[in-house]
Amino acid sequence: DAGVTQSPTHLIKTRGQQVTLRCSPKSGHDTVSWYQQALGQGPQFIFQYYEEEERQRGNFPDRFSGHQFPNYSSELNVNALLLGDSALYLCASSILSYEQYFGPGTRLTVT
Amino acid sequence: RKEVEQDPGPFNVPEGATVAFNCTYSNSASQSFFWYRQDCRKEPKLLMSVYSSGNEDGRFTAQLNRASQYISLLIRDSKLSDSATYLCVVNRNNDMRFGAGTRLTVKP
Repeated sequence: DAGVTQSPTHLIKTRGQQVTLRCSPKSGHDTVSWYQQALGQGPQFIFQYYEEEERQRGNFPDRFSGHQFPNYSSELNVNALLLGDSALYLCASSILSYEQYFGPGTRLTVT
Repeated sequence: RKEVEQDPGPFNVPEGATVAFNCTYSNSASQSFFWYRQDCRKEPKLLMSVYSSGNEDGRFTAQLNRASQYISLLIRDSKLSDSATYLCVVNRNNDMRFGAGTRLTVKP
């Protein structure tokens, strides 16, 4: 049984560009949450998707948007990248809001 | 004030020691609680959920005090493999808030 998978593993972008990160949840999970983790900090909640809708959102600007597909996979889009967006982006899946299981993350570097 | 606060450590302990981590949260409406561990440059992995009555999983014991808005994790008989950062997590209305983590190093 595959766990949570994310792609790509690493990404380098330039300020002002746009990026799309992808996540496939653990089999049987219907909820996907996205987090941003800066070095030395705990993960910061971006948003959560359930039934293809954004159910909850953290304190992130509208430049951060997402989508969930009928197969429960999800995308995170970030527009107009800033240097401060450089971080590890983690996807977690769960059944509803119970225990979350994380993918390996995408390390984004903005130059 | 941060919503979830942890002592950042580091905690450096010898093998076999007992170590305890504390975590406080500010929102009394928080609904569920977890401990995760995170190894360097890896994703967080669920260690255990925390229940109101307290719960134990092998060498690990978690406690929750809702009145004081306090969560704890006790590790007995520390192993070298327990070296990691331990993250306290509080959930309210599907919004999971993580502490910054407590770093533990277990030495031979």
